[in-house]
Amino acid sequence: EVQLLESGGGLVQPGGSLKLSCAASGFASSSYAMSWVRQAPGKGLEWVSGINGGNSDTFYTDSVKGRFIISRDTSKNTLILQMNSLRAGDMAVYYCAKGLGARNYNELDYWGQGTLVTVSP
Amino acid sequence: QSVLTQPPSVSAAPGQKVTISCSGRSANIGNNYVSWYQQLPRTAPKLLIYENNKRPSGIPDRFSGSKSGTSATLDITGLQTGDEAEYYCGSWDSSLRAVMFGGGTKVTVL
Repeated sequence: EVQLLESGGGLVQPGGSLKLSCAASGFASSSYAMSWVRQAPGKGLEWVSGINGGNSDTFYTDSVKGRFIISRDTSKNTLILQMNSLRAGDMAVYYCAKGLGARNYNELDYWGQGTLVTVSP
Repeated sequence: QSVLTQPPSVSAAPGQKVTISCSGRSANIGNNYVSWYQQLPRTAPKLLIYENNKRPSGIPDRFSGSKSGTSATLDITGLQTGDEAEYYCGSWDSSLRAVMFGGGTKVTVL
């Protein structure tokens, strides 16, 4: 059974850093495109970043470029999102999601339960 | 302001049909596949439709998708109370090199 379990959320001050992890089970996450999607309180979905399942190409939405880094720890079957220079606008529930294939960033067939990131002084 | 445009809300009586539109541009919907997601309150989104009109296993055929030009549509027939949720369209944008989501449409069963 495919499962995704996010961790690492919490309260951080503006300008601070946080590292999110997504532990995958039931499949080899390195063979699939994996994405982070966030949802601010009461707002819609926003795709944040994705990593290719083959060559590990990475992609980011404009608002996080230069601040966030997506990566994998293949030995732990884990997806990582390193978030730096955090702003109030980054406050959201962050979901980890699996793509249907190695290059499917928009076809997300499994989602984690989400982890809340709060940015506040 | 989302790159993909959806109506904020639609509603219909049980058993009826609702249609949700999703409007974009050539860089996204016009040249890439569209997916649709259902988000029930306080839960993670769920993939309903991918590659414009395909359903993952377990999704009933009451849900159907289509695409024409730079717009896409999600139809829900035989509306049920359990269909009350937020629905999002999404598409890769070749210019922005990122996935774009619509702002979401709240479906209410009257």
